[in-house]
Amino acid sequence: AQKITQTQPGMFVQEKEAVTLDCTYDTSDPSYGLFWYKQPSSGEMIFLIYQGSYDQQNATEGRYSLNFQKARKSANLVISASQLGDSAMYFCAMRETNTGNQFYFGTGTSLTVIP
Amino acid sequence: DAMVIQNPRYQVTQFGKPVTLSCSQTLNHNVMYWYQQKSSQAPKLLFHYYDKDFNNEADTPDNFQSRRPNTSFCFLDIRSPGLGDAAMYLCATSGGRVHNEQFFGPGTRLTVL
Repeated sequence: AQKITQTQPGMFVQEKEAVTLDCTYDTSDPSYGLFWYKQPSSGEMIFLIYQGSYDQQNATEGRYSLNFQKARKSANLVISASQLGDSAMYFCAMRETNTGNQFYFGTGTSLTVIP
Repeated sequence: DAMVIQNPRYQVTQFGKPVTLSCSQTLNHNVMYWYQQKSSQAPKLLFHYYDKDFNNEADTPDNFQSRRPNTSFCFLDIRSPGLGDAAMYLCATSGGRVHNEQFFGPGTRLTVL
């Protein structure tokens, strides 16, 4: 079974609007971390936001927030007030305590911001 | 600034000619990773080190080898590159805790002629 599932290969959003990128995960480890990365066309992977499995509140970092629904095993990324520079690939990833240092990546969502 | 550095950024090699990609970090992280990423795909983990402990993924071809002579440096050796090895190679580092994110280098784009 896939550890991380991103079901949206491509998304479009109007500039200044909010957009939600979906991510579901599969683990039996009670202790895990969820991460979102942005990869512009230049290729570098940029860390955006982190959510720990024991965190009571949803993580926020500037215009990025994580809608964490533990019972549903979902960790959706919300980008508010989209900007043209947000156009990129977005990857959801998970790290489990049991498997130590391995990160499991989803297949990514390509976001295009329309002026 | 503390960072992950990869050299070269672009590498062209010939079919079958060995090539070495390098990665260095100033973050003093225990864990270093090598990923292969092809166009529009997720990064694929090749191997990682926790300190000097080497962890190879089961489906990483024998053609790919790695060395980590010290905490700061890690190398990816491709012994006999094939056309299918053309890809972006990403190096990343991380602390050893579950809440530690990965820091990625800019990548090396490998072309095989």
